[in-house]
Amino acid sequence: QQQVKQSPQSLIVQKGGISIINCAYENTAFDYFPWYQQFPGKGPALLIAIRPDVSEKKEGRFTISFNKSAKQFSLHIMDSQPGDSATYFCAASTENSGGYNKLIFGAGTRLAVHP
Amino acid sequence: DVKVTQSSRYLVKRTGEKVFLECVQDMDHENMFWYRQDPGLGLRLIYFSYDVKMKEKGDIPEGYSVSREKKERFSLILESASTNQTSMYLCASSLGSGGTVDTQYFGPGTRLTVL
Repeated sequence: QQQVKQSPQSLIVQKGGISIINCAYENTAFDYFPWYQQFPGKGPALLIAIRPDVSEKKEGRFTISFNKSAKQFSLHIMDSQPGDSATYFCAASTENSGGYNKLIFGAGTRLAVHP
Repeated sequence: DVKVTQSSRYLVKRTGEKVFLECVQDMDHENMFWYRQDPGLGLRLIYFSYDVKMKEKGDIPEGYSVSREKKERFSLILESASTNQTSMYLCASSLGSGGTVDTQYFGPGTRLTVL
């Protein structure tokens, strides 16, 4: 059962273009939505995160847009650069009975930015 | 900087062998996690630990066990390796802030091949 659905699976963008990755979730109890970036040979690293009390969060060229009613959130990379080529994972958190918030990850999007 | 190290980058084992994957973090984090990463499936949580000697099952614990004897070290054990356990294994740690979600820091991964 996939609780966080991510699309597309792969994406090719020209340098300077906008990269858009979408995620949809089912569990309305989710209250934290991070994006992780993974370069080849490395572990994922937190890129940017949002909570549902805001509809948008921007950090440099990276923006998360959040639509609570549609249960969707997306990552926008403006002015995409070859150095942005990586795999991106969206995630969402849920609180288990022990009080710990477990991350549920999407399937990942492999982004290639061509010069 | 938080550093999460994993004992091996590549490992080749035979079916039926007992396999140990070791993970060490150097930031006195309370929480540690083991994930497996497979193409098209994202990161799936195998086990996590929120304290020494404490462990919780994740989403896919079957065929795995874990050990956390010291705060900085979290081991994943495959009691009898099978070919369907061929995968990339990622260890992560997080500070542990009593109910709020905190950033997970990942190691570089161990690519395990079971023949």
